[in-house]
Amino acid sequence: GAGVSQSPSNKVTEKGKDVELRCDPISGHTALYWYRQSLGQGLEFLIYFQGNSAPDKSGLPSDRFSAERTGGSVSTLTIQRTQQEDSAVYLCASSFSRGNNQPQHFGDGTRLSIL
Amino acid sequence: AQSVTQPDIHITVSEGASLELRCNYSYGATPYLFWYVQSPGQGLQLLLKYFSGDTLVQGIKGFEAEFKRSQSSFNLRKPSVHWSDAAEYFCAVGNSNFGNEKLTFGTGTRLTIIP
Repeated sequence: GAGVSQSPSNKVTEKGKDVELRCDPISGHTALYWYRQSLGQGLEFLIYFQGNSAPDKSGLPSDRFSAERTGGSVSTLTIQRTQQEDSAVYLCASSFSRGNNQPQHFGDGTRLSIL
Repeated sequence: AQSVTQPDIHITVSEGASLELRCNYSYGATPYLFWYVQSPGQGLQLLLKYFSGDTLVQGIKGFEAEFKRSQSSFNLRKPSVHWSDAAEYFCAVGNSNFGNEKLTFGTGTRLTIIP
């Protein structure tokens, strides 16, 4: 079966623009996670979905960041009014169900560059 | 709060030599522990995981790791490395309680293999 799919793979945009990043999890996986990987901060948790609800948004760095998940499948991470510090690789992961005893499977990420 | 320390930023080993990557964690209860590998431009691939039971766990690609509660460590080992093992390695800890489904990652160890 297909793995976690993320699009676009690369995104370059100007400061102040809005961007949308998409994640298509492994079919049947109910849990979905977004992480950010940047040079200065390493891998940081952003948000977790179980089904369509987001029990944990604690990692979102500011109110410019939001995410949604519809139909218990595809998720979109939106960054409004992008800043240069938003430049990073955004990784999505999914797992079969909730609980950290369910291994997370990662996509290849979206590399976001803010000019 | 849970945390992970990978004290070695960069390690260089000769092909065919043995390898040990260090990982120390901080967590109040029995943690869920993971090692992931990331090749350039790719997402994270799960090498192995520890949830409970036997403290020596076997993973893919000939890797193993040993959980030592007394030392709060989960070091990754391989008896003989191959050039294809060159990559970045991340140790991660997960909360064993429902309601806190996220992984906390170490800063990674970059592995270089020399002929």
